[in-house]
Amino acid sequence: DGGITQSPKYLFRKEGQNVTLSCEQNLNHDAMYWYRQDPGQGLRLIYYSQIVNDFQKGDIAEGYSVSREKKESFPLTVTSAQKNPTAFYLCASSPWRGTNTEAFFGQGTRLTVV
Amino acid sequence: AQTVTQSQPEMSVQEAETVTLSCTYDTSENNYYLFWYKQPPSRQMILVIRQEAYKQQNATENRFSVNFQKAAKSFSLKISDSQLGDTAMYFCAFMNTGTASKLTFGTGTRLQVTL
Repeated sequence: DGGITQSPKYLFRKEGQNVTLSCEQNLNHDAMYWYRQDPGQGLRLIYYSQIVNDFQKGDIAEGYSVSREKKESFPLTVTSAQKNPTAFYLCASSPWRGTNTEAFFGQGTRLTVV
Repeated sequence: AQTVTQSQPEMSVQEAETVTLSCTYDTSENNYYLFWYKQPPSRQMILVIRQEAYKQQNATENRFSVNFQKAAKSFSLKISDSQLGDTAMYFCAFMNTGTASKLTFGTGTRLQVTL
């Protein structure tokens, strides 16, 4: 089945540690996105990528890093510089052009700092 | 920069009634896409309806329809014959079609459908 997979579903991080969230898609989509969702709030864009080896900062990129070495994969690293990383993280992919453009989402990763 | 505004943090509707969720956006682009996504308690994002800006006809999907007013930059969602399963967060989203396209969301409207 085609889709977008995020792992892990739950992740716990100690203060000062870097952690990496995985996002893989087999939809052959060019564009991929990372969003952060805080309780009762909307989705804020962290990073996005339209092509392999290229990505752009979103609205809240500080304290995060990404890579796009393969079309299928867009991992997000939450670094120790992110002071308030506890949140729900959503990854999405999209063909970003064409008549059937829409974003498909993963199931999300809930990150908690302990 | 594109912005999306949803001015109704919460709404309530009785089962079988009709409700309209508001969304406005700001852009200098002429070609773009607009979306409504639903996020139920499972937190899975589900596409409800999509509108291409170059199409004047309003999109419809069964009980869901939009009122797209391009000049006013307005994109409201109407849910007819509301069902208990419609209870969810609803997000309006904008995607431009240029070389630096990105998908921007509003802050959401929490819809509660009651008996």
